[in-house]
Amino acid sequence: EVQLVESGGGLIQPGGSLRLSCAASGITVRTTYMIWVRQAPGKGLEWVSVIYSGGTIYYTDSVKGRFIMSRDSAKNTLFLQMDSLRAEDTAVYYCASGSGLVFDYWGQGALVTVSS
Amino acid sequence: SYVLTQPPSVSVAPGKTARIPCGGKNIGSKSVHWYQQKPGQAPVLVISYDSDRPSGIPERLSGSNSGNTATLTISRVEAGDEADYYCQVWDNDSDLVVFGGGTKLTV
Repeated sequence: EVQLVESGGGLIQPGGSLRLSCAASGITVRTTYMIWVRQAPGKGLEWVSVIYSGGTIYYTDSVKGRFIMSRDSAKNTLFLQMDSLRAEDTAVYYCASGSGLVFDYWGQGALVTVSS
Repeated sequence: SYVLTQPPSVSVAPGKTARIPCGGKNIGSKSVHWYQQKPGQAPVLVISYDSDRPSGIPERLSGSNSGNTATLTISRVEAGDEADYYCQVWDNDSDLVVFGGGTKLTV
């Protein structure tokens, strides 16, 4: 059974940093397509960053230069380092995985609130 | 960049058929995936590669894709189908994932 468990969310002041983790079981993060998707309150899904099985990483324009996606094969965990956080980054952040660019497993989400 | 367009809302009476469109330029040449999201829950994949149903998804849900529109069809709609539905593709020109804006299905 595949499980993705996010952690690391919380309340942070504008300009601050947070690191989200997505601990995976039942899949190997090193060889799987994985994505961070966020959902602002009352809004739709927005992809934030995606890593392809070959290691290529893409970021949506609004987070380029501020967020870094990485993976730790030994811990089988995906990370999202978020710096210079802004109020508009407030959202539930989901990690998801797929064998291709279709995401059939999702975590429960981690709430990030950026506010002073 | 590639854009997927969905109506904000679709309403349907119980027992009827709901059709949720997802528009995109020549979307028929791409593989479309659909996700269902109920309030307070993570999205769930309900249709992959235009019309494939993952294990556990009822046969009442089906998908089609042609021309400039992909469609998620829900037959014999039940109250439990009330949710937000999102389409998603991979745009080979940009090598990026694209989500539609989502459609709220009201039963």
